[in-house]
Amino acid sequence: GQNIDQPTEMTATEGAIVQINCTYQTSGFNGLFWYQQHAGEAPTFLSYNVLDGLEEKGRFSSFLSRSKGYSYLLLKELQMKDSASYLCAAMDSNYQLIWGAGTKLIIKP
Amino acid sequence: ETGVTQTPRHLVMGMTNKKSLKCEQHLGHNAMYWYKQSAKKPLELMFVYSLEERVENNSVPSRFSPECPNSSHLFLHLHTLQPEDSALYLCASSQDLPSGRMNEQFFGPGTRLTVL
Repeated sequence: GQNIDQPTEMTATEGAIVQINCTYQTSGFNGLFWYQQHAGEAPTFLSYNVLDGLEEKGRFSSFLSRSKGYSYLLLKELQMKDSASYLCAAMDSNYQLIWGAGTKLIIKP
Repeated sequence: ETGVTQTPRHLVMGMTNKKSLKCEQHLGHNAMYWYKQSAKKPLELMFVYSLEERVENNSVPSRFSPECPNSSHLFLHLHTLQPEDSALYLCASSQDLPSGRMNEQFFGPGTRLTVL
């Protein structure tokens, strides 16, 4: 079956760096998305990776290894506003998005 | 603001009620989606519309009935729901159906539904 695994919850300190991992098993692969969702709000798009490697976008970076079925989202210089859930979603060969349950990130002062 | 609005934001209904959720996108997108989000579970895709035609129905019970009168509006009609249907219902849109290029989805804030 198709599956996405990501940690349920993580805690980090303001100003620090945190890495949120995501492993996926899909029938074929057409890219991996990361979304951010603040409590009570809409998920918003963060990144898309389809080739191996690291994509940097300001304080956020996303990495993909297709051979390992693995991605991570790296958040630097953490701010309190980064407290949110982070959703990982992989696109299979039929262009269906397979979603993870999300990682709730708690930032402490 | 993502350009996708949903009303109502909160809804409490009894199992015998009939209600409708509304979604509107102001982005000129061709594809629209309904998702169910339950606590600590992955997003569940319910329905997909492309240019007002339903292209996907993921084994959703008939007590959920979608309607897409035009490419900007999407409704989810609800009747005789069960308590386990309580969840956050998210609407999303994208330029086109998912394909071989990045085609991110823009989500609305959701309707928090409670079925008593």
